[in-house]
Amino acid sequence: AQSVTQLGSHVSVSEGALVLLRCNYSSSVPPYLFWYVQYPNQGLQLLLKYTTGATLVKGINGFEAEFKKSETSFHLTKPSAHMSDAAEYFCAVSVGYGGATNKLIFGTGTLLAVQP
Amino acid sequence: GAGVSQSPSNKVTEKGKDVELRCDPISGHTALYWYRQSLGQGLEFLIYFQGNSAPDKSGLPSDRFSAERTGGSVSTLTIQRTQQEDSAVYLCASSLLQVRGSGSPLHFGNGTRLTVT
Repeated sequence: AQSVTQLGSHVSVSEGALVLLRCNYSSSVPPYLFWYVQYPNQGLQLLLKYTTGATLVKGINGFEAEFKKSETSFHLTKPSAHMSDAAEYFCAVSVGYGGATNKLIFGTGTLLAVQP
Repeated sequence: GAGVSQSPSNKVTEKGKDVELRCDPISGHTALYWYRQSLGQGLEFLIYFQGNSAPDKSGLPSDRFSAERTGGSVSTLTIQRTQQEDSAVYLCASSLLQVRGSGSPLHFGNGTRLTVT
């Protein structure tokens, strides 16, 4: 069964520092992987996704993630944190229904704090 | 509207009462999902609709929970005889149906915050 594990429920960085949020997946088939961000009192917004092809995926707001099959990882990075990046981040893996892949299984989330 | 709309945004109810939560998906999205987000629990899948049918109800926590979708559009999640442990944010999402290989993402509404007193 597909699953994701996010290491670190809370991460704190200084403004301008590198952001690294970790996600490892478990899947018996090539996975589709997603990162979502949730700001307070809002729903989840898609940051980026990996389906097939290039393993380095670029998303919105300067975030990117690299799919590493050998490490079963899909870590999210941003070179320089901004105060507006403070939010909760969720990694997710898709689960197929026959030929259709829609249902997402989410990690438990990582709350990112950005210190001035 | 352009996005997924959920109503009400907040609901406070007394233990034992029934509640109905509504979701309006993005026009043209045939797939619809309900998730529950509890403090410290992450996002818990509840139910998936394809059109008006629900091929996966595996996440509904008890028979007090039910959901329906009509006209391939609006969905209602009903919780009967609410309990305090039902307090959570209920999120609805929709997506295009896609066959394996396209990875169409889910689009989420802002959720309904349910508080059972």
